[in-house]
Amino acid sequence: DIQMTQSPSSVSASVGDRVTITCRASQDISRLLAWYQQKPGRTPNLLIHDSSILHNGVPSRFSGSGSGTDFTLTISSLQPEDFATYYCQQAKSFPWAFGQGTKVENK
Amino acid sequence: QVQLVESGGGVVQPGGSLRLSCAASGFVFSNFGMKWVRQAPGKGLEYVSVISYDGALKFYGNSVKGRFTISRDNSQNKLYLQMSSLSTDDTAVYYCAKESQAYSSSSLDSWGQGTLVTVSS
Repeated sequence: DIQMTQSPSSVSASVGDRVTITCRASQDISRLLAWYQQKPGRTPNLLIHDSSILHNGVPSRFSGSGSGTDFTLTISSLQPEDFATYYCQQAKSFPWAFGQGTKVENK
Repeated sequence: QVQLVESGGGVVQPGGSLRLSCAASGFVFSNFGMKWVRQAPGKGLEYVSVISYDGALKFYGNSVKGRFTISRDNSQNKLYLQMSSLSTDDTAVYYCAKESQAYSSSSLDSWGQGTLVTVSS
């Protein structure tokens, strides 16, 4: 099974900061990676699919990149509503797998 | 708009069984693969099971293989998860989620609000 490892597990940042989260797959997953945002008590929201394609309605400050085993989610200028936990997810093979999550906290 | 409404959660004893349902509306249910994803209290997301748009393909996460069965009724726009031999490790909020693209997809664009399953004696 493919394992997904996110880093860091948490990051402290301020509004306006650039935030970068990485996700590493245990084997080549091409570009079959998605990113989700989850706020406390809420359901996950799709941000990016196929590594870099922004989902409908997602602000352009979010971007994704990578292929193969190494991927990145970048928030170019952190906004107050972006404090949340972010998960990557591979879709190369079943069982799909999520990373363990990265919590973006207010510094 | 897309709506996914889970039901069937509750408290069950270890070794017991439970059947979850997910009622779908707002899209052509029979065109989309569907998944169950769970989240234990304070933990991350865990893939549970997937079923293809036509019900022909089913896959399970390693932790539930052999104990859980996914199914769907495209005439009723409903998704199901039959869970048996439950253990405390299965305690979680269970979400049903819709694949982003018809027939085959690499992401989930709509999620239900979840139903809580608590396994406890």
